Amino acid sequence: EAQVTQNPRYLITVTGKKLTVTCSQNMNHEYMSWYRQDPGLGLRQIYYSMNVEVTDKGDVPEGYKVSRKEKRNFPLILESPSPNQTSLYFCASSSGQGITFGSGTRLTVV
Amino acid sequence: GDSVTQMEGPVTLSEEAFLTINCTYTATGYPSLFWYVQYPGEGLQLLLKATKADDKGSNKGFEATYRKETTSFHLEKGSVQVSDSAVYFCALSAGVYSGGGADGLTFGKGTHLIIQP
Repeated sequence: EAQVTQNPRYLITVTGKKLTVTCSQNMNHEYMSWYRQDPGLGLRQIYYSMNVEVTDKGDVPEGYKVSRKEKRNFPLILESPSPNQTSLYFCASSSGQGITFGSGTRLTVV
Repeated sequence: GDSVTQMEGPVTLSEEAFLTINCTYTATGYPSLFWYVQYPGEGLQLLLKATKADDKGSNKGFEATYRKETTSFHLEKGSVQVSDSAVYFCALSAGVYSGGGADGLTFGKGTHLIIQP
């Protein structure tokens, strides 16, 4: 089954403790991206990647890092999480025929 | 930059009512337009899309027509059901692969639709 898999689904962490949210797709898509969803703001793109080793900032990249060492994986890294990064995060991948979203990761930073 | 404006909810309707959710956009060039739906506790699913002016996207009884002259992509359904209760996002992509949005999507803020039996 074609899918985008994110882990974990839920995460509660403390300010400053580094964390990684993993994202994997099994569709051999070149393009992957991360979004955050916040009430009243919709979805905003954090980072995207057009291919292996090619990443670029989206609309709200501050406080986040990404890497794309393999085509299938695109982890989102928060080096020093802060409470304003509490949000619902979505990974997505695309081949140009349509975007597939993961099920989301709900992150709470206390 | 690109932007999408959609009516904010919640929008509350009775079952079998007619639905319209307005969406207008600002973009350079000729973007592709999308409607995504998010059911409670789930990720986003593509509902329908249109890639050029006057195209009509349709799926599950929902329709939207790409109107370049009014820069709009309003979502409509003739008779809604309780199961249509969800958050609906209008989005555009003006990227290189604009047919699939590979340059990233610009989303509206979402419209929460509540259908009462």
